[in-house]
Amino acid sequence: TQLLEQSPQFLSIQEGENLTVYCNSSSVFSSLQWYRQEPGEGPVLLVTVVTGGEVKKLKRLTFQFGDARKDSSLHITAAQPGDTGLYLCAGAGGTSYGKLTFGQGTILTVHP
Amino acid sequence: GAGVSQSPRYKVAKRGQDVALRCDPISGHVSLFWYQQALGQGPEFLTYFQNEAQLDKSGLPSDRFFAERPEGSVSTLKIQRTQQEDSAVYLCASSIRLAGAYEQYFGPGTRLTVT
Repeated sequence: TQLLEQSPQFLSIQEGENLTVYCNSSSVFSSLQWYRQEPGEGPVLLVTVVTGGEVKKLKRLTFQFGDARKDSSLHITAAQPGDTGLYLCAGAGGTSYGKLTFGQGTILTVHP
Repeated sequence: GAGVSQSPRYKVAKRGQDVALRCDPISGHVSLFWYQQALGQGPEFLTYFQNEAQLDKSGLPSDRFFAERPEGSVSTLKIQRTQQEDSAVYLCASSIRLAGAYEQYFGPGTRLTVT
């Protein structure tokens, strides 16, 4: 069974601060996705990383996939209140069709 | 619309009732997934369809849960004799890919409350 440990579970920061969310596993994943979910809505895909060591940037968000493809991180620079939400990492592996294993999520609150 | 839609958005059922949750995937998406999300947790895989074939139902928690996708488009998740522990958000996701369908597009979910 593949498990993803996501930390921290809760993050409350002031506008303008930087933050990092971590996603760790003992299993190797063929790809790793980061999603953001708002209350009452489904998760929305932010990024997919597939190559060990890969770094992707999306405006103020930087995503990194570990060299061994077992871990990932999401770094947000100069957080804004609009970044508030539930951030989920999800790994694909173990099947050919892309079954996802999700972390528990990080609830981020950015105060103005 | 162009996205994944689910209905109903909210469902309250009395313990013991049967419920049916509907998912309309994005047109042309061959892969369809169902997930269960408990409050404050990440989604957990329930089942996977490739067109009309249910290829993986390993995540269904009991034989009270049944899913179908008879024409390879709309899917229905049915829960018989609902229990309080079935209370959760049920998410449907679809992907255009057959293999490596890890980039999935999610619907808004159905929040099921069993009283």
